[in-house]
Amino acid sequence: EVQLVESGGGLVQPGGSLRLSCATSGFILTDYYMDWVRQAPGKGPEWVGRTTNKANSYTTEYAASVRGRFTISRDDSKNSLYLQMNSLKTEDTAVYYCATEYYYRLDAWGKGTTVTVSS
Amino acid sequence: QSALTQPASVSGSPGQSVTISCTGSNINVGGSKYVSWYQQHPGKAPKVMIYDVSNRPSGVSNRFFGSKSGNTASLTISGLQAEDEADYYCSSYTSSGSFVFGTGTKVTVL
Repeated sequence: EVQLVESGGGLVQPGGSLRLSCATSGFILTDYYMDWVRQAPGKGPEWVGRTTNKANSYTTEYAASVRGRFTISRDDSKNSLYLQMNSLKTEDTAVYYCATEYYYRLDAWGKGTTVTVSS
Repeated sequence: QSALTQPASVSGSPGQSVTISCTGSNINVGGSKYVSWYQQHPGKAPKVMIYDVSNRPSGVSNRFFGSKSGNTASLTISGLQAEDEADYYCSSYTSSGSFVFGTGTKVTVL
């Protein structure tokens, strides 16, 4: 069974940094594209970015709203995905989900971790 | 990219059918074979119900039906059941390689 468990969320001041983790199990991480998606309170999901798989050289792509501030990385030996978030803004407040990307859809999602950016 | 446009809410009685629309543009819905629909219960993660416009993942009821015409995709839920009460989001893979989601529709079972 595919399992994704996010952690690392919390309260941070504007301009601060936070690193989220996503522990995975039940599938071979090296084979999969992995994405981060966030959902602000009362809003629809927003795609944050992805890292491709080993076969595609682990390239990364980001939404314009986070490009240059957020960095996605992965450690397949630890079955983990990461989201480093710098220069955080109040509008980054959201539940952050990691998800497997399979043929242009987001197949499996974790339960999410909450990030609150506030002074 | 701007979010795809969905009605804020739809409702129906048990056993009835409801249809949710999702309107985008030719750089997403209209130009994409990859439109998905997600169901989200309160406090839970989204679950894919439809992918590639009209395909159902294994385990999803055949009461869920997806379609597309031009820049608008639709999700129809037939034989409405209490467990279908949730928020529903459409999503499209875009020409730039990103995902864009809809504004969301709350389905209420009367």
